[in-house]
Amino acid sequence: DAGVIQSPRHEVTEMGQEVTLRCKPISGHNSLFWYRQTMMRGLELLIYFNNNVPIDDSGMPEDRFSAKMPNASFSTLKIQPSEPRDSAVYFCASSLPSLEETEAFFGQGTRLTVV
Amino acid sequence: AQKITQTQPGMFVQEKEAVTLDCTYDTSDQSYGLFWYKQPSSGEMIFLIYQGSYDEQNATEGRYSLNFQKARKSANLVISASQLGDSAMYFCAMREGSNDYKLSFGAGTTVTVRA
Repeated sequence: DAGVIQSPRHEVTEMGQEVTLRCKPISGHNSLFWYRQTMMRGLELLIYFNNNVPIDDSGMPEDRFSAKMPNASFSTLKIQPSEPRDSAVYFCASSLPSLEETEAFFGQGTRLTVV
Repeated sequence: AQKITQTQPGMFVQEKEAVTLDCTYDTSDQSYGLFWYKQPSSGEMIFLIYQGSYDEQNATEGRYSLNFQKARKSANLVISASQLGDSAMYFCAMREGSNDYKLSFGAGTTVTVRA
């Protein structure tokens, strides 16, 4: 398996524009997580899905952020409109929903810069 | 409330020496899993080691071992025989069964290995 695939790797956009980040989880993993990492706030869990259903979106900063998982092999995180403070590295991770030794596998991240 | 606490923002260690990274957690679950991840300067998240709440023995993976003290709710990572390549950020994380397997991370500890 190729692992968790995120696209794009880098995104530079102007304030006010819509940004869509994409994630393809590892086949068979039915838990998917979106994290945001900044120097100031560390690694924050934004939202996570089990079996394509959003379980907890309490980490989503505001209504400008939305996430979907239309099927088991694809998820998107959308920011509309984007603001400079959204600049961060966004990680997607997938795992099995279990407490056994099933670590979450992370994608390479998307570095977002909003100017 | 903070679920995972890592109180050491940064640490220095001499090459070939051991270093202990502290992690305490907060949960009322009986069943949970604890993870450690490494993030080098290149940015990827690398899984290191796992400890289940019912595991009676401390987990070990090569030079990594986890000092699990359940009554104290601590899960400290020990890196033995430090190498220059161990310089990175280290994150402690927890999954709770009662919380739909949500994976929460601590703030991280930066380790710098000196030659």
